[in-house]
Amino acid sequence: EVQLVESGGGLVQPGGSLRLSCAASGFTFSHYEMNWVRQSPGKGLEWLSYISSSGSTIFYADSVKGRFTISRDNAKNSLYLRMNSLRAEDTAVYYCARMDGYKSPLDYWGQGTLVTVSS
Amino acid sequence: EIVMTQSPATLSVSPGEGATLSCRASQSVHSNLAWYQQKPGQAPRLLLYGASTRATGIPARFSGSGSGTEFTLTISSLQSEDFAVYYCQQYNNWPPVFTFGPGTKVDIK
Repeated sequence: EVQLVESGGGLVQPGGSLRLSCAASGFTFSHYEMNWVRQSPGKGLEWLSYISSSGSTIFYADSVKGRFTISRDNAKNSLYLRMNSLRAEDTAVYYCARMDGYKSPLDYWGQGTLVTVSS
Repeated sequence: EIVMTQSPATLSVSPGEGATLSCRASQSVHSNLAWYQQKPGQAPRLLLYGASTRATGIPARFSGSGSGTEFTLTISSLQSEDFAVYYCQQYNNWPPVFTFGPGTKVDIK
């Protein structure tokens, strides 16, 4: 069974940093591209970042470019999102989601981790 | 950026009735369109991809159609577990700037 479990969320002050993790199991993690998507309270879904299966190709949404860094450790079956210079508008539930190839949907999602940016 | 819109924002349906949800893209996404279902406190779940292909384990009462800029999700006979928010998403862009619609909430009439 495919499982994605996010962790690392919490309360952080504006300007602070946080690192989210996503532990994968039930599939060969190193074969799949991964993404981060967030959902602000009561709002819709926003794609944030993509990383290829090897980690060699990375893309970001303009809203987080220069502040967030996606990475992965295939030996540990883990995906990460380092978030710096956090703002109130970054408050959201953050999901990791799997992608199976070029121009594919997000076929499995984690349960999400809540990040709250507030003083 | 491709902008996705959905209508209606809310759809009130009685159990057993059918429902039709619409999604429009600001430019052609061909058939690179997915539908997701999200229940309160849960992650989105992939329902359909390629505009009309059901994901693994999705019941046949869910069907999709369309291509280019106009898409439809049809639920043939709503069950209690189908009351949720439905999002469409285009994945035609590369680099992947995936965009989602604002969602349609299907609630009990």
